[in-house]
Amino acid sequence: EDQVTQSPEALRLQEGESSSLNCSYTVSGLRGLFWYRQDPGKGPEFLFTLYSAGEEKEKERLKATLTKKESFLHITAPKPEDSATYLCAVPFNSGYALNFGKGTSLLVTP
Amino acid sequence: NAGVTQTPKFQVLKTGQSMTLQCAQDMNHNSMYWYRQDPGMGLRLIYYSASEGTTDKGEVPNGYNVSRLNKREFSLRLESAAPSQTSVYFCASSERRQGNYEQYFGPGTRLTVT
Repeated sequence: EDQVTQSPEALRLQEGESSSLNCSYTVSGLRGLFWYRQDPGKGPEFLFTLYSAGEEKEKERLKATLTKKESFLHITAPKPEDSATYLCAVPFNSGYALNFGKGTSLLVTP
Repeated sequence: NAGVTQTPKFQVLKTGQSMTLQCAQDMNHNSMYWYRQDPGMGLRLIYYSASEGTTDKGEVPNGYNVSRLNKREFSLRLESAAPSQTSVYFCASSERRQGNYEQYFGPGTRLTVT
């Protein structure tokens, strides 16, 4: 059965304190790994897609990396506005819909 | 471009009442999806429509029906609401072509069933 597991469930950082979020997956034949950001009361917002091991993508203070078993979302020198829940997902084997992890809730304090 | 829009934003129902959640997208996407999000459970797929004229069950379809009205619109119906259907409902859309699975989400409908 396809599974997506994110850790930690929650993370509290001081402004400027870099860290990483983890997303491990078990799928047969990866067709992409997706990262989303979700602010309270809003829908998930697309961040990145990674397709093959070794691939990296960056956006401002965020960098996503991918291995054969997991993906990391590295946050460098975070700011309070980076506080959000970060979700990762992979496509279901049965089609195009996404199987989401439960997310990591990030809080960055000044 | 409005992207994906959902109505209503909030709704309170009594057990046994029915309602339809509306979703529309203006990105000319072929595929559309309905998810529910509950604390500690993450986003779970209810139904999806790979293309106009088709619909398929997701992980948690019981108690729901859907209609793909046209390429733009995909509605979710609760025929007889139950407290277990209290949740936040998100609609999403994506292109349907090989290698592209990026989905774009609406702002959600917050439903409470008492």
